Amino acid sequence: EAGVTQFPSHSVIEKGQTVTLRCDPISGHDNLYWYRRVMGKEIKFLLHFVKESKQDESGMPNNRFLAERTGGTYSTLKVQPAELEDSGVYFCASSQGATGAPYNSPLHFGNGTRLTVT
Amino acid sequence: GEDVEQSLFLSVREGDSSVINCTYTDSSSTYLYWYKQEPGAGLQLLTYIFSNMDMKQDQRLTVLLNKKDKHLSLRIADTQTGDSAIYFCAESFPSGGYNKLIFGAGTRLAVHP
Repeated sequence: EAGVTQFPSHSVIEKGQTVTLRCDPISGHDNLYWYRRVMGKEIKFLLHFVKESKQDESGMPNNRFLAERTGGTYSTLKVQPAELEDSGVYFCASSQGATGAPYNSPLHFGNGTRLTVT
Repeated sequence: GEDVEQSLFLSVREGDSSVINCTYTDSSSTYLYWYKQEPGAGLQLLTYIFSNMDMKQDQRLTVLLNKKDKHLSLRIADTQTGDSAIYFCAESFPSGGYNKLIFGAGTRLAVHP
């Protein structure tokens, strides 16, 4: 079974540019999550998709961030325009169930995309 | 509010036990987790504990939960160089869905000969 795949693994862009991160969840996982770790701090929840619908986007920092999951398969997270404080590691995760307990519906994380805004 | 605190760094000698500590503020959490992140890799779920348990053991890993003090610890017995990684403590709540996790900043474990 292929795991959660994220692309690119690294991205270096200048302030004001646009970057799009992609996440391919495990096949059959309806639930997809984006998390972010900024500057060695805690990992923070950004948003949760159930299929193509945004279930919870309470963690999105501002309207420069746009997440989509057309067709309920892969997801993209676009940052436009990027600012210095957006630098960090963006993790995607998927699970079969959303409200299941970890013993039957754990989160599977990708390796993350390291974003550097200069 | 939701807040998870961890010490940032721990150094141990190979073969010794490691103890990584975590404190949290919200006592309504249902599950508490330990994730491991090796260099260049994603987050790997190491173990978790249900909030009505005090202890959970899984091979070299022992998780202790003190709900009164809101303190969670992870003990790694016979620490090996392959255990060098960042360890994240996390909690979840039924109201948020169990996969909306609140993480700490991570503890970097360095194992030296």
